[in-house]
Amino acid sequence: DVKVTQSSRYLVKRTGEKVFLECVQDMDHENMFWYRQDPGLGLRLIYFSYDVKMKEKGDIPEGYSVSREKKERFSLILESASTNQTSMYLCASSLTGHRSEKLFFGSGTQLSVL
Amino acid sequence: DQQVKQNSPSLSVQEGRISILNCDYTNSMFDYFLWYKKYPAEGPTFLISISSIKDKNEDGRFTVFLNKSAKHLSLHIVPSQPGDSAVYFCAASGEEYGNKLVFGAGTILRVKS
Repeated sequence: DVKVTQSSRYLVKRTGEKVFLECVQDMDHENMFWYRQDPGLGLRLIYFSYDVKMKEKGDIPEGYSVSREKKERFSLILESASTNQTSMYLCASSLTGHRSEKLFFGSGTQLSVL
Repeated sequence: DQQVKQNSPSLSVQEGRISILNCDYTNSMFDYFLWYKKYPAEGPTFLISISSIKDKNEDGRFTVFLNKSAKHLSLHIVPSQPGDSAVYFCAASGEEYGNKLVFGAGTILRVKS
Protein backbone atom coordinates (compact mmCIF):
# COMPACT_ATOMS: atom_id res chain seq x y z
CA ASP A 1 0.00 0.00 0.00
CA VAL A 2 1.03 3.60 -0.59
CA LYS A 3 2.46 5.34 2.40
CA VAL A 4 2.22 9.09 2.72
CA THR A 5 4.13 10.38 5.72
CA GLN A 6 3.78 13.81 7.26
CA SER A 7 6.68 14.80 9.43
CA SER A 8 4.75 16.17 12.40
CA ARG A 9 1.47 15.17 13.98
CA TYR A 10 1.15 18.35 16.03
CA LEU A 11 2.83 21.74 15.66
CA VAL A 12 2.50 24.90 17.70
CA LYS A 13 3.90 28.08 16.22
CA ARG A 14 3.76 31.78 16.94
CA THR A 15 2.26 34.44 14.72
CA GLY A 16 4.78 35.64 12.14
CA GLU A 17 6.94 32.53 12.21
CA LYS A 18 7.89 30.74 9.00
CA VAL A 19 6.50 27.22 9.10
CA PHE A 20 7.49 24.19 7.05
CA LEU A 21 5.23 21.16 6.72
CA GLU A 22 6.87 18.17 5.12
CA CYS A 23 5.31 15.28 3.25
CA VAL A 24 6.94 12.19 1.75
CA GLN A 25 5.36 9.44 -0.35
CA ASP A 26 6.97 6.12 -1.12
CA MET A 27 5.17 4.94 -4.26
CA ASP A 28 6.71 7.05 -6.99
CA HIS A 29 3.49 9.01 -7.49
CA GLU A 30 3.59 11.89 -9.94
CA ASN A 31 1.04 14.05 -8.18
CA MET A 32 1.02 15.49 -4.70
CA PHE A 33 -1.48 17.74 -2.96
CA TRP A 34 -1.84 19.87 0.14
CA TYR A 35 -5.28 20.32 1.72
CA ARG A 36 -6.49 21.94 4.88
CA GLN A 37 -9.44 20.59 6.81
CA ASP A 38 -11.62 22.91 8.86
CA PRO A 39 -14.89 22.13 10.66
CA GLY A 40 -17.88 22.89 8.47
CA LEU A 41 -15.71 23.51 5.43
CA GLY A 42 -14.39 20.07 4.60
CA LEU A 43 -11.12 19.71 2.72
CA ARG A 44 -9.90 22.64 0.67
CA LEU A 45 -7.05 22.41 -1.81
CA ILE A 46 -4.13 24.76 -1.16
CA TYR A 47 -1.58 23.70 -3.79
CA PHE A 48 -0.77 20.69 -5.87
CA SER A 49 2.15 19.48 -7.95
CA TYR A 50 2.11 17.19 -10.96
CA ASP A 51 5.88 16.92 -11.39
CA VAL A 52 9.14 17.87 -9.75
CA LYS A 53 9.54 21.64 -9.53
CA MET A 54 6.01 22.10 -10.91
CA LYS A 55 3.21 23.57 -8.84
CA GLU A 56 -0.33 24.76 -9.32
CA LYS A 57 -2.49 26.90 -7.07
CA GLY A 58 -5.51 25.32 -5.55
CA ASP A 59 -8.56 27.07 -4.18
CA ILE A 60 -6.94 28.81 -1.21
CA PRO A 61 -3.23 29.46 -1.95
CA GLU A 62 -2.99 32.85 -0.25
CA GLY A 63 -0.42 32.89 2.53
CA TYR A 64 1.15 29.62 1.42
CA SER A 65 3.88 28.45 -0.90
CA VAL A 66 5.17 25.00 -1.81
CA SER A 67 8.34 23.30 -2.86
CA ARG A 68 8.90 20.07 -4.74
CA GLU A 69 12.58 19.48 -5.32
CA LYS A 70 12.31 15.68 -5.35
CA LYS A 71 9.52 13.50 -6.65
CA GLU A 72 8.78 11.91 -3.29
CA ARG A 73 8.74 15.09 -1.20
CA PHE A 74 6.28 17.99 -1.19
CA SER A 75 6.66 20.80 1.31
CA LEU A 76 4.10 23.38 2.35
CA ILE A 77 5.46 26.69 3.59
CA LEU A 78 3.64 29.29 5.61
CA GLU A 79 5.73 32.39 4.99
CA SER A 80 4.41 34.28 8.01
CA ALA A 81 2.00 32.22 10.07
CA SER A 82 -1.23 33.80 11.16
CA THR A 83 -3.91 32.63 13.57
CA ASN A 84 -6.35 31.96 10.73
CA GLN A 85 -3.95 29.31 9.46
CA THR A 86 -4.62 27.19 12.52
CA SER A 87 -5.97 24.02 10.92
CA MET A 88 -5.47 20.36 10.11
CA TYR A 89 -3.17 20.04 7.11
CA LEU A 90 -3.39 16.94 4.95
CA CYS A 91 -0.96 15.84 2.28
CA ALA A 92 -2.06 13.45 -0.47
CA SER A 93 -0.63 11.77 -3.54
CA SER A 94 -1.87 10.01 -6.64
CA LEU A 95 -0.21 8.17 -9.47
CA THR A 96 -1.50 9.89 -12.58
CA GLY A 97 -3.47 12.75 -11.10
CA HIS A 98 -6.53 11.98 -13.18
CA ARG A 99 -9.56 13.35 -11.44
CA SER A 100 -11.19 9.95 -11.17
CA GLU A 101 -8.20 8.48 -9.40
CA LYS A 102 -8.27 8.03 -5.68
CA LEU A 103 -5.98 10.00 -3.46
CA PHE A 104 -3.78 8.55 -0.73
CA PHE A 105 -3.61 10.77 2.31
CA GLY A 106 -1.16 11.19 5.14
CA SER A 107 -2.34 11.25 8.76
CA GLY A 108 -2.33 15.01 8.91
CA THR A 109 -0.56 17.76 10.84
CA GLN A 110 -2.59 19.74 13.35
CA LEU A 111 -1.09 23.21 13.31
CA SER A 112 -1.88 25.75 15.99
CA VAL A 113 -0.75 29.33 15.46
CA LEU A 114 -0.77 31.39 18.65
CA ASP B 1 -20.61 29.16 -1.90
CA GLN B 2 -20.02 25.47 -1.43
CA GLN B 3 -20.52 23.46 -4.58
CA VAL B 4 -20.67 20.16 -2.73
CA LYS B 5 -22.93 20.10 0.29
CA GLN B 6 -23.39 17.54 3.00
CA ASN B 7 -26.25 19.05 4.91
CA SER B 8 -26.24 16.60 7.81
CA PRO B 9 -23.28 17.26 10.11
CA SER B 10 -23.92 14.02 11.97
CA LEU B 11 -25.91 10.81 11.83
CA SER B 12 -26.50 8.18 14.47
CA VAL B 13 -27.55 4.64 13.51
CA GLN B 14 -28.05 1.38 15.36
CA GLU B 15 -25.71 -1.48 14.53
CA GLY B 16 -27.15 -3.72 11.84
CA ARG B 17 -29.40 -1.04 10.38
CA ILE B 18 -28.88 0.96 7.20
CA SER B 19 -26.87 4.19 7.20
CA ILE B 20 -27.69 6.69 4.48
CA LEU B 21 -25.36 9.62 3.96
CA ASN B 22 -26.43 12.32 1.54
CA CYS B 23 -24.57 14.74 -0.68
CA ASP B 24 -25.85 17.47 -2.99
CA TYR B 25 -23.93 19.35 -5.63
CA THR B 26 -24.68 22.49 -7.57
CA ASN B 27 -22.40 22.24 -10.60
CA SER B 28 -23.88 20.16 -13.41
CA MET B 29 -20.41 19.84 -14.95
CA PHE B 30 -19.30 17.49 -12.17
CA ASP B 31 -19.09 14.02 -13.66
CA TYR B 32 -17.20 11.92 -11.15
CA PHE B 33 -17.94 11.47 -7.48
CA LEU B 34 -16.01 9.83 -4.67
CA TRP B 35 -16.59 9.05 -1.01
CA TYR B 36 -13.79 9.10 1.54
CA LYS B 37 -13.87 7.91 5.12
CA LYS B 38 -11.79 9.46 7.88
CA TYR B 39 -11.06 8.10 11.35
CA PRO B 40 -9.70 10.38 14.09
CA ALA B 41 -5.94 10.88 13.88
CA GLU B 42 -5.83 9.32 10.42
CA GLY B 43 -5.99 10.68 6.91
CA PRO B 44 -9.05 10.12 4.72
CA THR B 45 -9.17 6.84 2.83
CA PHE B 46 -10.97 6.19 -0.41
CA LEU B 47 -14.20 4.25 -0.04
CA ILE B 48 -16.16 4.12 -3.28
CA SER B 49 -16.73 6.17 -6.43
CA ILE B 50 -19.21 6.59 -9.25
CA SER B 51 -19.10 8.04 -12.72
CA SER B 52 -21.96 10.14 -14.02
CA ILE B 53 -22.67 7.54 -16.69
CA LYS B 54 -23.90 5.24 -13.94
CA ASP B 55 -26.61 5.61 -11.35
CA LYS B 56 -25.38 2.98 -8.92
CA ASN B 57 -22.13 1.42 -7.81
CA GLU B 58 -21.83 -1.30 -5.23
CA ASP B 59 -18.88 -2.62 -3.24
CA GLY B 60 -19.74 -5.06 -0.51
CA ARG B 61 -21.75 -3.30 2.18
CA PHE B 62 -21.33 0.07 0.46
CA THR B 63 -23.51 1.34 -2.37
CA VAL B 64 -23.47 4.78 -3.90
CA PHE B 65 -26.50 6.08 -5.79
CA LEU B 66 -26.39 9.02 -8.17
CA ASN B 67 -29.41 11.05 -9.24
CA LYS B 68 -28.12 13.46 -11.86
CA SER B 69 -31.38 15.28 -12.41
CA ALA B 70 -31.56 16.10 -8.70
CA LYS B 71 -27.79 16.64 -8.43
CA HIS B 72 -27.82 14.30 -5.48
CA LEU B 73 -25.86 11.28 -4.41
CA SER B 74 -26.13 9.05 -1.42
CA LEU B 75 -23.98 6.44 0.27
CA HIS B 76 -25.76 3.44 1.76
CA ILE B 77 -24.05 1.21 4.29
CA VAL B 78 -25.84 -2.07 4.96
CA PRO B 79 -25.56 -3.45 7.56
CA SER B 80 -23.89 -0.74 9.60
CA GLN B 81 -21.13 -1.80 11.97
CA PRO B 82 -19.50 0.05 14.90
CA GLY B 83 -16.25 0.17 12.89
CA ASP B 84 -18.04 2.31 10.32
CA SER B 85 -18.14 5.17 12.82
CA ALA B 86 -16.10 7.89 11.10
CA VAL B 87 -16.38 11.12 9.16
CA TYR B 88 -17.53 10.62 5.58
CA PHE B 89 -16.61 13.12 2.90
CA CYS B 90 -18.28 13.40 -0.46
CA ALA B 91 -16.11 14.76 -3.30
CA ALA B 92 -16.78 15.71 -6.90
CA SER B 93 -14.70 16.45 -9.95
CA GLY B 94 -15.26 17.73 -13.45
CA GLU B 95 -13.14 18.39 -16.49
CA GLU B 96 -13.31 22.15 -15.99
CA TYR B 97 -11.64 21.69 -12.61
CA GLY B 98 -8.76 19.70 -14.03
CA ASN B 99 -7.35 17.30 -11.50
CA LYS B 100 -8.93 18.94 -8.49
CA LEU B 101 -11.54 17.47 -6.23
CA VAL B 102 -14.18 19.57 -4.51
CA PHE B 103 -15.04 18.19 -1.09
CA GLY B 104 -18.11 18.52 1.05
CA ALA B 105 -17.94 19.45 4.74
CA GLY B 106 -18.32 15.86 5.90
CA THR B 107 -20.85 13.89 7.94
CA ILE B 108 -19.98 12.25 11.24
CA LEU B 109 -21.48 8.77 11.39
CA ARG B 110 -21.91 7.06 14.75
CA VAL B 111 -22.96 3.43 14.74
CA LYS B 112 -24.22 2.35 18.14
CA SER B 113 -23.86 -1.23 19.29
